[in-house]
Amino acid sequence: DGGITQSPKYLFRKEGQNVTLSCEQNLNHDAMYWYRQDPGQGLRLIYYSQIVNDFQKGDIAEGYSVSREKKESFPLTVTSAQKNPTAFYLCASRKVGASNQPQHFGDGTRLSIL
Amino acid sequence: SQQGEEDPQALSIQEGENATMNCSYKTSINNLQWYRQNSGRGLVHLILIRSNEREKHSGRLRVTLDTSKKSSSLLITASRAADTASYFCATARLKNDMRFGAGTRLTVKP
Repeated sequence: DGGITQSPKYLFRKEGQNVTLSCEQNLNHDAMYWYRQDPGQGLRLIYYSQIVNDFQKGDIAEGYSVSREKKESFPLTVTSAQKNPTAFYLCASRKVGASNQPQHFGDGTRLSIL
Repeated sequence: SQQGEEDPQALSIQEGENATMNCSYKTSINNLQWYRQNSGRGLVHLILIRSNEREKHSGRLRVTLDTSKKSSSLLITASRAADTASYFCATARLKNDMRFGAGTRLTVKP
């Protein structure tokens, strides 16, 4: 089955620690996205990538970093600079080139502070 | 910044009733999409309406778009308990990025 896989489902971070959230897709989509969702809130864009080896900051990129070395993979690192990292993180991908394509989402990673 | 804003924030209805959710946005859009999110899960795409369309149907879903008022509505007819979820509108701009609203939490009571 084609889809997006996020891992782990739950993650705990200690103070001062960097953690990396994994996102893999086998949909052959060019564009990938990371969103943060806080309780009862909508999604806020952290970073997105339209093509391998290129990515752009979203609305809340501070304290986060990404890489896009492969088309299938778009890992997100939550650095120690992100002082309030507790949230639900969602990864998405989209086909680029064809207009009006929806985003496909993974099932998220819930990050908490120890 | 978030683009869409859904209204109401929460909606509770009985099974069989219709549910209407509204979305307002601020800037020009290429298209508007509605997504559904079950608790603790990712979002699932429901329906997309282009900026030059006014109404679209998909099964029990009906979406309208009024670009002059910068608003959209999602109607779910004959609701079921399984429709209980959060519903989000998302606006797509020419840059290919999308902006999501805060969502409407729908509860359908059996």
